[in-house]
Amino acid sequence: ETGVTQSPTHLIKTRGQQVTLRCSSQSGHNTVSWYQQALGQGPQFIFQYYREEENGRGNFPPRFSGLQFPNYSSELNVNALELDDSALYLCASSFGVQYQETQYFGPGTRLLVL
Amino acid sequence: GESVGLHLPTLSVQEGDNSIINCAYSNSASDYFIWYKQESGKGPQFIIDIRSNMDKRQGQRVTVLLNKTVKHLSLQIAATQPGDSAVYFCAERRGWGSQGNLIFGKGTKLSVKP
Repeated sequence: ETGVTQSPTHLIKTRGQQVTLRCSSQSGHNTVSWYQQALGQGPQFIFQYYREEENGRGNFPPRFSGLQFPNYSSELNVNALELDDSALYLCASSFGVQYQETQYFGPGTRLLVL
Repeated sequence: GESVGLHLPTLSVQEGDNSIINCAYSNSASDYFIWYKQESGKGPQFIIDIRSNMDKRQGQRVTVLLNKTVKHLSLQIAATQPGDSAVYFCAERRGWGSQGNLIFGKGTKLSVKP
């Protein structure tokens, strides 16, 4: 176990709705990264938060947004859901933003958009 | 475009044999590489990492080899066990901040036959 937790484990939404996913990082970690993993694919980077500020973003539209809280937990928000947003959403925590810091993943939230 | 890819999408081995999973990367600026194992319904689990100033690194039953000349990475698993059955991803990292995310390949599914 990595100590990274995510909620909920599964979620079903309809197109156009909004969703909030949550992540609690491993104790002592101040950096959270979010990834989207489509079925049969490798995870794709959405964005990273370091000490409550966005610290990098992948090729995802602005309707994907996030927050990091003082306790370093994090939220991923997706507005105007589309069918293609159906995926496993993973968060990973690490200590600091040095490029060689190992990222530890949570179990993910499975989102289905109908 | 630049990507981390895998030569073989599936690999089937006999229990007790050694497994070799290969990965090619295309960005010579990448200088940190990680192997993750992902079991069904779980998040990726860190296995081993290697920095670009190394050619080989060993862990418990696993060895990662890096050949920068041909941009090739491999994961060797000794005495493969049924519990090793999973999808294996290699990932590269190119720096911190917006470059500090992990770039994953599509994965190789390892099946271990008893």
